[in-house]
Amino acid sequence: AQSVTQLGSHVSVSEGALVLLRCNYSSSVPPYLFWYVQYPNQGLQLLLKYTSAATLVKGINGFEAEFKKSETSFHLTKPSAHMSDAAEYFCAVIPSGAGSYQLTFGKGTKLSVIP
Amino acid sequence: EAGVAQSPRYKIIEKRQSVAFWCNPISGHATLYWYQQILGQGPKLLIQFQNNGVVDDSQLPKDRFSAERLKGVDSTLKIQPAKLEDSAVYLCASSPQSHRGRDRGAYEQYFGPGTRLTVT
Repeated sequence: AQSVTQLGSHVSVSEGALVLLRCNYSSSVPPYLFWYVQYPNQGLQLLLKYTSAATLVKGINGFEAEFKKSETSFHLTKPSAHMSDAAEYFCAVIPSGAGSYQLTFGKGTKLSVIP
Repeated sequence: EAGVAQSPRYKIIEKRQSVAFWCNPISGHATLYWYQQILGQGPKLLIQFQNNGVVDDSQLPKDRFSAERLKGVDSTLKIQPAKLEDSAVYLCASSPQSHRGRDRGAYEQYFGPGTRLTVT
């Protein structure tokens, strides 16, 4: 089964610094990839998704992610961290072949923003 | 547009007791999902409904968990009897797309706020 691996369960950055959250997928065929954010005591909110239309995907709140087939990666970035970005971020995958439309999530990366 | 509603938001029970969670998806959404999110992990799919039929319940522990979606709208998830390891956040999500829809690119799930269950 296809899966995603998120490197780093906890990432800390200073306010105004670059945010980089890593996600690698396991598949020889590029799947559909998603980034979700979860604020404390809330459900998940979609940040952005890759659906093969463009390798650089822009999402909400200034986040973007670049699909790199050669590296099987879909890392999430934001040029300048804001205090309100503190949350947990999940990378997820749906296989691109026929069959399941189900999301498989990574274990998540908790982002802390230091004033 | 109202989002996915869930209740209760928090529940504390003792092991071997029963508990039920309720979910009201976004109006018109055909597909409904229940996820279990254990602390420190990503959500894990328990069951997926298409209208009022089950699409996939392969990861649902059927000896203690049950779920239904009457009339293809609201859904309830029940645990009976609960175990300590059932302590988790139970998330409900809905999607307008059919699981047999062609446009995977438009695929999106909308999540409710979740129910945090503590089993003591």
